[in-house]
Amino acid sequence: EVQVVQSGAEVKKPGESLKISCQSSGYSFSTSWIGWVRQLPGQGLEWMGIIHLRDSLTYYRPSFQGQVTISADRSISTAYLHWDSLQASDTAIYFCATAMDGNFYWDYWGQGTLLTVSS
Amino acid sequence: QSALTQPASVSGSPGQSITIFCTGTNSDVGRYDFVSWLQQHPGKAPKLIIYDVTYRPSGVSHRFSGSKSGNTASLIISGLQAEDEADYYCCSYTRSGPTYVFGTGTTVTVL
Repeated sequence: EVQVVQSGAEVKKPGESLKISCQSSGYSFSTSWIGWVRQLPGQGLEWMGIIHLRDSLTYYRPSFQGQVTISADRSISTAYLHWDSLQASDTAIYFCATAMDGNFYWDYWGQGTLLTVSS
Repeated sequence: QSALTQPASVSGSPGQSITIFCTGTNSDVGRYDFVSWLQQHPGKAPKLIIYDVTYRPSGVSHRFSGSKSGNTASLIISGLQAEDEADYYCCSYTRSGPTYVFGTGTTVTVL
């Protein structure tokens, strides 16, 4: 059974750094992509970027380039989303999802990580 | 990368059929047969219900079907049921990036 499990909810202050995680099991992680999606409060889904687990090839949506860093550790089947300096506007739910090589759809989703940034 | 355009809301009575349209451009929906649809219930993660325009993942009800014409993809929900109340998002591969783009989302209400 495939499972995609994300790290728990976070409450941070503006200016702090943060790295959240997304771990997959029961899946051919090394031949798959991981994508990160943002959902602002009461809003729709937005792609942030995607990373390939074999070689860490990464693509960012232009509006997120330089704002976050996506990375991965293939040895533990885990992808990460990192902020150097959080802002209140980063308050959102962040989802990760997986897509196998050669597929162009995201079939397994994590449960979401709620991030609250407030002073 | 602009979001794909969907109606904000669609409603129908139990048993009826509804269609949700998703309009893109010739850089995404019109260029590739890589349109998928996701269902999201309140407070839950999105769930894949249609991929590659017309295919249903295992376990997804046959009441969900998809199609595409030109730059517009469609999700049809037939035999509408109360459990179908949710937000629905289309998603397409796009040559811009290369990456993906979501639709603006549609809230389905069962009257």
